[in-house]
Amino acid sequence: AQTVTQSQPEMSVQEAETVTLSCTYDTSESDYYLFWYKQPPSRQMILVIRQEAYKQQNATENRFSVNFQKAAKSFSLKISDSQLGDAAMYFCAFHNTNAGKSTFGDGTTLTVKP
Amino acid sequence: SAVISQKPSRDICQRGTSLTIQCQVDSQVTMMFWYRQQPGQSLTLIATANQGSEATYESGFVIDKFPISRPNLTFSTLTVSNMSPEDSSIYLCSVAAVGDTQYFGPGTRLTVL
Repeated sequence: AQTVTQSQPEMSVQEAETVTLSCTYDTSESDYYLFWYKQPPSRQMILVIRQEAYKQQNATENRFSVNFQKAAKSFSLKISDSQLGDAAMYFCAFHNTNAGKSTFGDGTTLTVKP
Repeated sequence: SAVISQKPSRDICQRGTSLTIQCQVDSQVTMMFWYRQQPGQSLTLIATANQGSEATYESGFVIDKFPISRPNLTFSTLTVSNMSPEDSSIYLCSVAAVGDTQYFGPGTRLTVL
């Protein structure tokens, strides 16, 4: 079974600054995907960024980027130039391609201070 | 991407009754998932619903308590049966798209008195 650990229950960042959210996972699978999802207070979960395990290059999506360290089983999310709208709960997720389902971390609540 | 709607958005129910939650997707998808989420906490997978076959339930969840229907590739329902206050939670529907990305519905907030 896979486990996903987000060691930071809460984080805060000043507007326009950079923040990094941590995520580690444990698996024996070789074929998988990793995701960061964002859940604003309105509740609907949306995709932030996606990383294929077989790709060495770190995924980037505008102000969001990841640091994927496969050997260390680490998958952190960096948010640059933080905006008030980035305030949300962020979930790291591991998707087992063979099983066809995902495991989510406990989430990190991000506060953005004006 | 996929656009997902859920009905109802919230409900308050009496103990011992049942509630059926609907999930509608704007495109045909193979895999649909039902999750439970306590406010401010992580998601727990209840079951995977594939069209044309019975749902696959995770450990701790049983069909008698959470029957699921999947009549076609755009629709699914989850019923929470014989409810108790412990069933109070947010129930989320999601679908798997290209590259195994999941798209989520807005959720159904259930309160059981």
